Amino acid sequence: DTAVSQTPKYLVTQMGNDKSIKCEQNLGHDTMYWYKQDSKKFLKIMFSYNNKELIINETVPNRFSPKSPDKAHLNLHINSLELGDSAVYFCASSQDYNEQFFGPGTRLTVL
Amino acid sequence: GQNIDQPTEMTATEGAIVQINCTYQTSGFNGLFWYQQHAGEAPTFLSYNVLDGLEEKGRFSSFLSRSKGYSYLLLKELQMKDSASYLCAVRDRTDKLIFGTGTRLQVFP
Repeated sequence: DTAVSQTPKYLVTQMGNDKSIKCEQNLGHDTMYWYKQDSKKFLKIMFSYNNKELIINETVPNRFSPKSPDKAHLNLHINSLELGDSAVYFCASSQDYNEQFFGPGTRLTVL
Repeated sequence: GQNIDQPTEMTATEGAIVQINCTYQTSGFNGLFWYQQHAGEAPTFLSYNVLDGLEEKGRFSSFLSRSKGYSYLLLKELQMKDSASYLCAVRDRTDKLIFGTGTRLQVFP
């Protein structure tokens, strides 16, 4: 029943590790997004994919690599994790740039 | 640059009316959204304005003036469950959603 789902919900890891976050939507939307919400609750777009094609890449370090195997999935892989990567990462989807539906978020803590 | 301003915090009493303002300066304008975010949860869509005027949806209304770069979200008959952050977001000319820092609303009995 869940419209946009993300795994894991919590991720605690050491600096320098590589980790992935998965996102799936069952709404049939064409566009998917990754957002980062920092400790001040500021929500910022990182990437956007439309039908598996990258359309927005917001000057995110290239340690972050999104992958969209099909239009229902958008995963985020992060290499060489740094302390500053600690945040909540939200996946979202929309149809034709209308309202976006957000996943529950993944709280990443880098130690 | 892109800038969206909202008050950081507001307080109100149960049953009252509160207005949350948002001013924006963005690269183009393709619509303005309001989202609600409870602590520890995902943002959820409240309203969308692309033309000037008032959009009403139950206890919530949203207003837009494109010439002034201004919007507000009006919440009537406040309930305790309305305590949350309210995020103003503008879709710019590249269809990217630019969020404000959000307004944390606390409703007291």
